[in-house]
Amino acid sequence: DADVTQTPRNRITKTGKRIMLECSQTKGHDRMYWYRQDPGLGLRLIYYSFDVKDINKGEISDGYSVSRQAQAKFSLSLESAIPNQTALYFCATSDSRQIGNTGELFFGEGSRLTVL
Amino acid sequence: GQNIDQPTEMTATEGAIVQINCTYQTSGFNGLFWYQQHAGEAPTFLSYNVLDGLEEKGRFSSFLSRSKGYSYLLLKELQMKDSASYLCAVRAAGNKLTFGGGTRVLVKP
Repeated sequence: DADVTQTPRNRITKTGKRIMLECSQTKGHDRMYWYRQDPGLGLRLIYYSFDVKDINKGEISDGYSVSRQAQAKFSLSLESAIPNQTALYFCATSDSRQIGNTGELFFGEGSRLTVL
Repeated sequence: GQNIDQPTEMTATEGAIVQINCTYQTSGFNGLFWYQQHAGEAPTFLSYNVLDGLEEKGRFSSFLSRSKGYSYLLLKELQMKDSASYLCAVRAAGNKLTFGGGTRVLVKP
């Protein structure tokens, strides 16, 4: 089983619909992130959370919201989906507490969202 | 803000060597990462540099020069399975990771 699990893996929806992408992790990491990936633009940070009560905007947070329901769960919502939110979305985790680690990100398998 | 540049695409022959360059401009540098991403899959961690110099890990090596804002990833003895995108990412102040657009490497027989 994957350590970082995203649901759904694929979703097609219509403009104006509310969509939630969910992420759960079994790695025990404190930090969680949501990125979107578009061809040629790399991964861009939407929101991140360093702890359960900590939520921060990334570089492209407009049109998105998040909830950190527990240390292991971080969900991303699109309140009213629009076609330019069609992208591949990745959840990631990192561990800030282990001495000597690099703080690298561990990614989920991605959620492909299409907004018609 | 941050600016990270890497070539869009590179082609190389099986068994050869390929060097992927990454230049960056950032405030509060706190480490540079390389990730590998096969098509349709999640990125996976390859290497981390925070001090100047070369880090070697088997067929892959990564180099960093902080004064020049420059890194490269060197892939030796290329194999077909190395065909993938390679993402350069910089961690700056606030511990956020910013990614470049990625370099797609195509390995030909």
